[in-house]
Amino acid sequence: GAVVSQHPSWVICKSGTSVKIECRSLDFQATTMFWYRQFPKQSLMLMATSNEGSKATYEQGVEKDKFLINHASLTLSTLTVTSAHPEDSSFYICSARDPASGREAEQYFGPGTRLTVT
Amino acid sequence: KNQVEQSPQSLIILEGKNCTLQCNYTVSPFSNLRWYKQDTGRGPVSLTIMTFSENTKSNGRYTATLDADTKQSSLHITASQLSDSASYICVVRGSSASKIIFGSGTRLSIRP
Repeated sequence: GAVVSQHPSWVICKSGTSVKIECRSLDFQATTMFWYRQFPKQSLMLMATSNEGSKATYEQGVEKDKFLINHASLTLSTLTVTSAHPEDSSFYICSARDPASGREAEQYFGPGTRLTVT
Repeated sequence: KNQVEQSPQSLIILEGKNCTLQCNYTVSPFSNLRWYKQDTGRGPVSLTIMTFSENTKSNGRYTATLDADTKQSSLHITASQLSDSASYICVVRGSSASKIIFGSGTRLSIRP
């Protein structure tokens, strides 16, 4: 099946700094990628939809100036957590849909990035 | 309101035993339903996908059922193995929207 990678797999940063997380579709081109956040023992919460060549669409309650999304190419989307705070510590997961798979196209999830803000 | 509810929240069974996880949804109109397995600290991996016309689909020891009339799905795991310990997430896509609705998941623990 299709592969989506994330980098880094885990990161520890100090409060107030910024952290960039990369999401790549390795064997297909994704015009749309999705960013999720998952807190312990909870399900995935959609943060934003990343569209190649245009602005991301953010879910209600997600600060677009804090979580910067750039979908610069058909295989790469980045999420930058700016001025990180301890409450931003979470598991961030991206997913991508292969448009060539048709209407029932599956979302392929990345392995996730564990962010810890100290 | 489109919702996906899963039960039980958590489940502990002995290795080798069978178990069934439940998913009820109110998403309408309905397009498809997927079951994902998420290992701790990893991204979800798709197990099965079911559309409106499908009642049963198997993937190895995993068998998913769908009753579109009652809007219920189940995931049956046969002869459980220690590696089955994970969270199982039911995800439903509606026909009229690109968004998908996640259930809260069932945390399954297999004990030796």
